[in-house]
Amino acid sequence: GAGVSQSPRYKVAKRGQDVALRCDPISGHVSLFWYQQALGQGPEFLTYFQNEAQLDKSGLPSDRFFAERPEGSVSTLKIQRTQQEDSAVYLCASSLALGQGNEQYFGPGTRLTVT
Amino acid sequence: AQTVTQSQPEMSVQEAETVTLSCTYDTSENNYYLFWYKQPPSRQMILVIRQEAYKQQNATENRFSVNFQKAAKSFSLKISDSQLGDTAMYFCAFMKHNNNDMRFGAGTRLTVKP
Repeated sequence: GAGVSQSPRYKVAKRGQDVALRCDPISGHVSLFWYQQALGQGPEFLTYFQNEAQLDKSGLPSDRFFAERPEGSVSTLKIQRTQQEDSAVYLCASSLALGQGNEQYFGPGTRLTVT
Repeated sequence: AQTVTQSQPEMSVQEAETVTLSCTYDTSENNYYLFWYKQPPSRQMILVIRQEAYKQQNATENRFSVNFQKAAKSFSLKISDSQLGDTAMYFCAFMKHNNNDMRFGAGTRLTVKP
């Protein structure tokens, strides 16, 4: 079946603009995760959902970052008033269920460049 | 907080040879999971191998195996018979039992040379 998809793949935003990044998880996957990956670094956890519930948003770097998953499927990560330090690849992952060390399946990422 | 350290930013190996990537982690937990993920130049991360901390037996997946030393908090990845397609960034990751945020190391860039 189809894997995790993300759109757009590339996004260039001027400083101060708002952006919305979309994630389509694998059908039937209950859990959805967002990560931020700076150049040359490992992914950093941002937030995760179980169905439509956002269970942990402790990794969101500021209140300019907001994520939602209103129907328990597609998720959107929104960044308001983008800053240069927001430039990174944003990865989405989904897994069948929470807990038990389940494998997370990653999307290709959205590369955000803030100019 | 859990931290994951990969002390080798870059490694290279000749095709068909064996290479070992290092990973150490810091935690006060007793039950947890450890992972190695591979990120090829196309950037889609894929799981290579997974280890449950309560299992003493080292995980193995074909040419990939781990050396899990719980007391030393070490989790190295051995790649045997290296292939050109193994060229990628490799990330070690930690997840607490019954938690879900995964903590990644900074990665090791592995190049397999023909």
